[in-house]
Amino acid sequence: DTAVSQTPKYLVTQMGNDKSIKCEQNLGHDTMYWYKQDSKKFLKIMFSYNNKELIINETVPNRFSPKSPDKAHLNLHINSLELGDSAVYFCAIGRRGRQETQYFGPGTRLLVL
Amino acid sequence: QKEVEQDPGPLSVPEGAIVSLNCTYSNSAFQYFMWYRQYSRKGPELLMYTYSSGNKEDGRFTAQVDKSSKYISLFIRDSQPSDSATYLCAILNNNAGNMLTFGGGTRLMVKP
Repeated sequence: DTAVSQTPKYLVTQMGNDKSIKCEQNLGHDTMYWYKQDSKKFLKIMFSYNNKELIINETVPNRFSPKSPDKAHLNLHINSLELGDSAVYFCAIGRRGRQETQYFGPGTRLLVL
Repeated sequence: QKEVEQDPGPLSVPEGAIVSLNCTYSNSAFQYFMWYRQYSRKGPELLMYTYSSGNKEDGRFTAQVDKSSKYISLFIRDSQPSDSATYLCAILNNNAGNMLTFGGGTRLMVKP
């Protein structure tokens, strides 16, 4: 069983649309993350979330919002998609107090046309 | 200047060679140092982590940290074609939201 799964794997959409990417984990870790990896492979944290605290990277536009329906899921909603949002988005999980050990999902490849 | 710098490569070596991958960082408050491996079209996977200066060994992999010069290294002994991937260093500052800061990754190719 994969510890972290993401859907969809690929997402092609038009500029201006609103889309969501789903993340699910089965390890019971209390902290979930979203990362963005651009075309140059540079991986950057977007959000860190557990049931008590949401930490937002200040460079992330407010068109991006994480939503957690329960402890096993952290979805990423993106409004008014822009060309520059094209990237690979990774969900990751970790444990509070053990942030040095994070497990990544397989990624969602988003292409905005 | 980026907080974590890494030569993007590509680094091409013959099978069996010793590989040295390096990162430099600028913030002396960083406390944990990680190496991730990322195969093409896959998510990063954690290889090793350490929090102190010195060496940490795991099989063919050795992570080395020199906090005085803000320099971290990953050595791969007896490199295999299956080691061909992008290697990302990552650094954690427990006092800054506990978020990982990644280097840009070094692409390694091990030729049979």
